[in-house]
Amino acid sequence: EVQLVESGGVLVQPGGSLRLSCAASGFTFSSYWMTWVRQAPGKGLEWVASINEDGTDTRYVDSVKGRFTISRDNAKSSLYLQMNCLRGEDTAVYYCTRDPTRRYDFWGQGTLVTVSS
Amino acid sequence: EVVLTQSPATLSLSPGERATLSCRASQSISTYLAWYQQKPGQAPRLLIYDASNRATGIPARFSGSGSGTDFTLSISSLEPEDFAVYYCQQRSGWPPGFGPGTKVDIK
Repeated sequence: EVQLVESGGVLVQPGGSLRLSCAASGFTFSSYWMTWVRQAPGKGLEWVASINEDGTDTRYVDSVKGRFTISRDNAKSSLYLQMNCLRGEDTAVYYCTRDPTRRYDFWGQGTLVTVSS
Repeated sequence: EVVLTQSPATLSLSPGERATLSCRASQSISTYLAWYQQKPGQAPRLLIYDASNRATGIPARFSGSGSGTDFTLSISSLEPEDFAVYYCQQRSGWPPGFGPGTKVDIK
C-alpha cells in the first residue's frame, strides 16, 4: 500500500524558515518524480515544486523560486521542502504527492504551515 | 503558461442525478488533463488522468472526455459520497496547474 506521511508543519514568523518532510512507503521511491502541492485555507490547489527520480532536476512555481528548495533522499525514501524567507501567503496545507508524469496519483494527508507574527 | 477555468463554480444536484463539470484551457493541451476529487478535511484523490482514463479503484460512474481546450467530467448518477469539490489539472509543459474547482453540493 502506497503511503505518504508529511511532517514539519508549524506556526512560524514571517521571514522564518522551516523544513517539511515526507516519508514514503509501499512503492519504489527512487523510480518516481515527487511533487509538493499546497492549499491555502479555503482556497484551491497550487503546484509548488517537483523533483525528478535522482534529484538532478528540480522545478518551482515562480512565487517560491529562490526561497524554497525541494530535495530527496532515496536511501531513506524521503522527500523534503526547505522553506526560507517565509511570507504570510505561504500559509497553507502542504501535500506530498507521487508524480508519474505530472499527474498526482497518491497524496499524503498534508501538513499545515502557518506564517504569522 | 496554461490557465484553466472551470464551470460552473457550484453545481447543486440531488442524489441520482447526472453531473456534468467543465474545464477549459487557455491553449491546447492535447489530452494532458486530470481530474481530482476533494472532500472537506481530506487530501485530493485522482479520478481521471489523460482526459479519459479512470485511476485505479475509481467507480465507472465517473468518466472524462475532451481534448485540446475543452474537457468534461461526468458523474452518471450521483452517490451521497460524490458531493465534493472537483479540480482539473493540466500537465502540458511547465508549470503544471490546477483549475479553481467546481463544488458539487446537495440540492
